[in-house]
Parts: sequence; structure tokens; C-alpha cells
Amino acid sequence: DAGVIQSPRHEVTEMGQEVTLRCKPISGHNSLFWYRQTMMRGLELLIYFNNNVPIDDSGMPEDRFSAKMPNASFSTLKIQPSEPRDSAVYFCASTPTGLNYGYTFGSGTRLTVV
Amino acid sequence: GENVEQHPSTLSVQEGDSAVIKCTYSDSASNYFPWYKQELGKGPQLIIDIRSNVGEKKDQRIAVTLNKTAKHFSLHITETQPEDSAVYFCAASPGGNNRLAFGKGNQVVVIP
Repeated sequence: DAGVIQSPRHEVTEMGQEVTLRCKPISGHNSLFWYRQTMMRGLELLIYFNNNVPIDDSGMPEDRFSAKMPNASFSTLKIQPSEPRDSAVYFCASTPTGLNYGYTFGSGTRLTVV
Repeated sequence: GENVEQHPSTLSVQEGDSAVIKCTYSDSASNYFPWYKQELGKGPQLIIDIRSNVGEKKDQRIAVTLNKTAKHFSLHITETQPEDSAVYFCAASPGGNNRLAFGKGNQVVVIP
């Protein structure tokens, strides 16, 4: 298995631009999580999906952030418009639904907004 | 909700010595406790986990212990090696919804 695949690995964009981060979970994993990691706040859960349905988006910072999961093998996290304070590493993770299992994280997308 | 705290924030050990990281949790309903290792430029990787029906679990040089009464669990690394240098995260899950609460992480530095 190739694991959780995220793209791009690095993204540099100008303030005000739209940014789309992508994630392909492990096949058969029905729960998907988006995290943001910064030095100050550590790992923050932004949103998670069970069976493609958003369950809890209370961690999404503001309306500029949106996430979708159109099918079991693909999810996107979009920031529009982006701001310098959005600079962070964004991780996607997946796990089987229903039982407690450790998450499998992707390699992350390092976002820099200038 | 669940609150997980880790201590110490940074730990330096001599190569060959043991390292211990301790975490406390707040929700007595939590029943699953994984540990993650994050190396520079990579995502967190699950290294060991324990469920509430056991008190200790070992895997080669790493072990995790759980004290449900005191609501704390610890990661033990023996015979540390330079490649053990990383940030380690603990987490806890009350179960049912797959959601994990993560600690802030510990930076472990193994000095050759």
C-alpha cells in the first residue's frame, strides 16, 4: 500500500490566492482527518469525515477554509483567500471506521503564504 | 472533551541510556492510547499503542505503560540510538468516534 498520499508537498502562494490541498486515503479506510501543525499550536484537528460525510468541522478556523470528500478515495482542503497566518504544515490522516485504530498520516503539505 | 498533556517538552539523553515520556489524560472513558514519532519533514508515524484492558505493551526497544487509576501513560525507549531523535506525540481516544486527542509533543534528542 502506498499509504496516505498528499499533494503538493510544498506550496508557496501570495496572500489572497486560492489554495487547494489534496489527499488520497488508504483504500478501505473510511475515516479521514485534516490537521494543521504549527510550532505554536501543535497538531490541530480541522475537520474529519466518516464514509465521506463531514462529522465535525468545528476546528476549521473560519469561512475561508472548506473541505470536501466527493468519494472514498479523495479529499480536498481549500483556503480562499489565503493569508500569511495560514502558513503551516497540513496533514491528512486516515483510519478504518468504527474501532479505535491508530491514524496513518500522509507526508504533509507545507504551505507558505507570502 | 479529552485533554492530553505531555511532559517534559524536551528531553536530552546520552546514547544507550533510557528515555521516558509521560502523558496524562482527563477523560476516564478513554480506552485507546497510541504513540507517534515524527521525524523532521515527515508526518507522524504510529510506533506503538495500548488499549485500556492491558497495563503494558512492549515492542523491541519501546514499551508503553498505562495507569488507568491515575490517568497517565508513558513511553519507554531503552538503549537509545541517534535515530530515536524525533518529536513524540501521545494521544487518547474515548472511543466510538475514532477521534484522537493529541498532546503537544516531546522533542527527544539522543546525544551520541
